[in-house]
Amino acid sequence: GAVVSQHPSWVICKSGTSVKIECRSLDFQATTMFWYRQFPKQSLMLMATSNEGSKATYEQGVEKDKFLINHASLTLSTLTVTSAHPEDSSFYICSARDTRNEKLFFGSGTQLSVL
Amino acid sequence: DAKTTQPTSMDCAEGRAANLPCNHSTISGNEYVYWYRQIHSQGPQYIIHGLKNNETNEMASLIITEDRKSSTLILPHATLRDTAVYYCIVMGSQGNLIFGKGTKLSVKP
Repeated sequence: GAVVSQHPSWVICKSGTSVKIECRSLDFQATTMFWYRQFPKQSLMLMATSNEGSKATYEQGVEKDKFLINHASLTLSTLTVTSAHPEDSSFYICSARDTRNEKLFFGSGTQLSVL
Repeated sequence: DAKTTQPTSMDCAEGRAANLPCNHSTISGNEYVYWYRQIHSQGPQYIIHGLKNNETNEMASLIITEDRKSSTLILPHATLRDTAVYYCIVMGSQGNLIFGKGTKLSVKP
């Protein structure tokens, strides 16, 4: 079946640094990818919709200048957490839509810890 | 976008069928119902989706009522590895999936 690869699985960084997370669709092209964030014992919260070749659409309350999204190709979207702070520590998950069957597949997630 | 309502938690005996209900009374005619599950610290796993007809695959069956206002996910023979949080979701107008709180299913030996 379709697979979405997310990298890295976990990252620890110092406060004030930037972290980039990659999301790749391995066997299908994804014109649209989605980025979610999940805090402990809570559900996934949609952060933004990433569209290939155009600007991302951010959900209300999500700072676009802090969470930079780039969707440069049909198989790759990246999320960069800029000037990370401890409150940005969370589990970040990407997903990609396979338009051949309307299924949405998820990456394995990235656990970000900001010290 | 239509919202869903699920019980917070459910228990199921190993080897028995697990029936997870979901209400989506505001669903519109062209919105699909999707089911995903999430095991701790992993990305959600696709289970099944449907529009009007009942669906079955190697993982589960999805029963959608005729008025489409509710559905039931059936795991025919639950195992301990099926312990997870199960999310019933109606696909949003942007093609995204808006997650509710889901049902925490505990399969017990």
